[in-house]
Amino acid sequence: GQNIDQPTEMTATEGAIVQINCTYQTSGFNGLFWYQQHAGEAPTFLSYNVLDGLEEKGRFSSFLSRSKGYSYLLLKELQMKDSASYLCAVEDSNYQLIWGAGTKLIIKP
Amino acid sequence: GAVVSQHPSWVICKSGTSVKIECRSLDFQATTMFWYRQFPKQSLMLMATSNEGSKATYEQGVEKDKFLINHASLTLSTLTVTSAHPEDSSFYICSASLQRGGQEQFFGPGTRLTVL
Repeated sequence: GQNIDQPTEMTATEGAIVQINCTYQTSGFNGLFWYQQHAGEAPTFLSYNVLDGLEEKGRFSSFLSRSKGYSYLLLKELQMKDSASYLCAVEDSNYQLIWGAGTKLIIKP
Repeated sequence: GAVVSQHPSWVICKSGTSVKIECRSLDFQATTMFWYRQFPKQSLMLMATSNEGSKATYEQGVEKDKFLINHASLTLSTLTVTSAHPEDSSFYICSASLQRGGQEQFFGPGTRLTVL
């Protein structure tokens, strides 16, 4: 079966760095997405990785290793507004998105 | 960026009634639209994928006769929850993509449905 695993919840301190991991087992691979979702709102796109390596975008970076079926989202200089759920999703060989359950990130002052 | 709207943003209805939710891509033509449902503190659950002019593809366990999807144009898809019951109360979110594969999905703001 297809499976996406990410931690349920993480806590970090304002100004610090946090890494949210995602491991996947899917039928084929056409890319991995990270989305941010604040409570009661729709998800917003953060990043897309299809090749191995690190993609940096401001305070957020996303890493992919296809051979390991592994990705992480790195958030630097954490701000209170970064408190949200972070969803990992993998596009399989049929171009269907398989969603992880999301990681709730709690930022403390 | 591409904008997707949903209407209504919230709706309260009596058990047994039907509710229609509209999803529009405002500044682009969406080849594919997706309908999701999200219960509190849970992740997105894909309900169905619809392509303009063709029948929607429903995920396993989703009743197609209960959740009617119409994708009449490249900018509009509708989800009708027929004979709604309290267990259908949820956050319904649509998304659209420009092309199949390798493209981010643009999400609508969601519709919160409460069935009394």
